[in-house]
Amino acid sequence: SQQGEEDPQALSIQEGENATMNCSYKTSINNLQWYRQNSGRGLVHLILIRSNEREKHSGRLRVTLDTSKKSSSLLITASRAADTASYFCATDGGGADGLTFGKGTHLIIQP
Amino acid sequence: DTGVSQDPRHKITKRGQNVTFRCDPISEHNRLYWYRQTLGQGPEFLTYFQNEAQLEKSRLLSDRFSAERPKGSFSTLEIQRTEQGDSAMYLCASSPVKLPRLAGGPGEQYFGPGTRLTVT
Repeated sequence: SQQGEEDPQALSIQEGENATMNCSYKTSINNLQWYRQNSGRGLVHLILIRSNEREKHSGRLRVTLDTSKKSSSLLITASRAADTASYFCATDGGGADGLTFGKGTHLIIQP
Repeated sequence: DTGVSQDPRHKITKRGQNVTFRCDPISEHNRLYWYRQTLGQGPEFLTYFQNEAQLEKSRLLSDRFSAERPKGSFSTLEIQRTEQGDSAMYLCASSPVKLPRLAGGPGEQYFGPGTRLTVT
């Protein structure tokens, strides 16, 4: 079963704009990760945020985590055509070693 | 290329046949995971190994599925008596044991390109 739910399911923006996608999950976690998947490069890890962290940055990516609301957001700033992909949040479901993924947000960057 | 590799990339089989997929993880990684992904969904965890020991199995892994990692290096996933519902992308991932279990859970996983299975 899917632990996380990403919102929105699909997002289309103009190149240069910022893209925000959200993830909600159900059980307590140790950490939350975001992955990107496109046909060219498969599934790639983007960023990991631990349960005791509230915000983390990596290049044009900013991730927030609110454990009281069981939610996370991923912000991509100054989007590029190459950011077109599906984005998934993944959690450990409270102690398992296999990751539990959401259904993903499909992001399209219009040139 | 030193990433995770999977073979074959595509497999078409008839219902009832057996299929076997192979995964070669990144060489210094001792954890190996199998996931299944259907169209429009995120990957679903199937099973994982630490070295040669299979430590966790999902309830998705019915008795028709078996996975092995005999020498703690490559792994195989076999599906017996395939059904049309088995059609999916089968993903393999590996990770090093970087984080102590109590200190933050599983770390990032490195995924292979997947094996796309079509059961006709």
